[in-house]
Amino acid sequence: GAVVSQHPSRVICKSGTSVKIECRSLDFQATTMFWYRQFPKQSLMLMATSNEGSKATYEQGVEKDKFLINHASLTLSTLTVTSAHPEDSSFYICSASGEGATGANVLTFGAGSRLTVL
Amino acid sequence: QKEVEQNSGPLSVPEGAIASLNCTYSDRGSQSFFWYRQYSGKSPELIMFIYSNGDKEDGRFTAQLNKASQYVSLLIRDSQPSDSATYLCAVNNAGNMLTFGGGTRLMVKP
Repeated sequence: GAVVSQHPSRVICKSGTSVKIECRSLDFQATTMFWYRQFPKQSLMLMATSNEGSKATYEQGVEKDKFLINHASLTLSTLTVTSAHPEDSSFYICSASGEGATGANVLTFGAGSRLTVL
Repeated sequence: QKEVEQNSGPLSVPEGAIASLNCTYSDRGSQSFFWYRQYSGKSPELIMFIYSNGDKEDGRFTAQLNKASQYVSLLIRDSQPSDSATYLCAVNNAGNMLTFGGGTRLMVKP
């Protein structure tokens, strides 16, 4: 089955610093990865779609200059939160499309990264 | 109107009972439907997906899809306290982009 690795799982940083989160597809190639953000007691909100070798597609209201996404290879996408502020504190989750155990193309999620900005 | 709607709950059922979770969607062109379970502080994990009208069973879980009425449901038989979580309905519109509902919090009481 498809496995997506995401790290770090937790990160605490000072306001104004930048944080990079990595998302890797371990046993399959992911031409498309997705980045979500989830605030407490709320559902997943899609931030951007990351396409290998091209610019990411951002959802409305998501600042592309603040949330930098790089998808340089078929197995790695990174999200960098630049000049982080306390309001950026959230649970960030990546996902990738891969072949599941039944052969169907399903989305698999990474374990998530909890960002706390002091 | 939200694209994918779920009752936020909490839905409380006694241990051993059947839990019924419902989801409606607005895009008639939606082709595939997913149920994810999310424990507090964790990322979602896939429970089931369904493409065709009717029922699809996997162990204690049954997904039901009715495209004409634009709803998909998840039944959990013999509910266990470990099933207590938030259940997310997701609909695939195009290009493997999923639209998630707000989730239903299920509480199974011993």
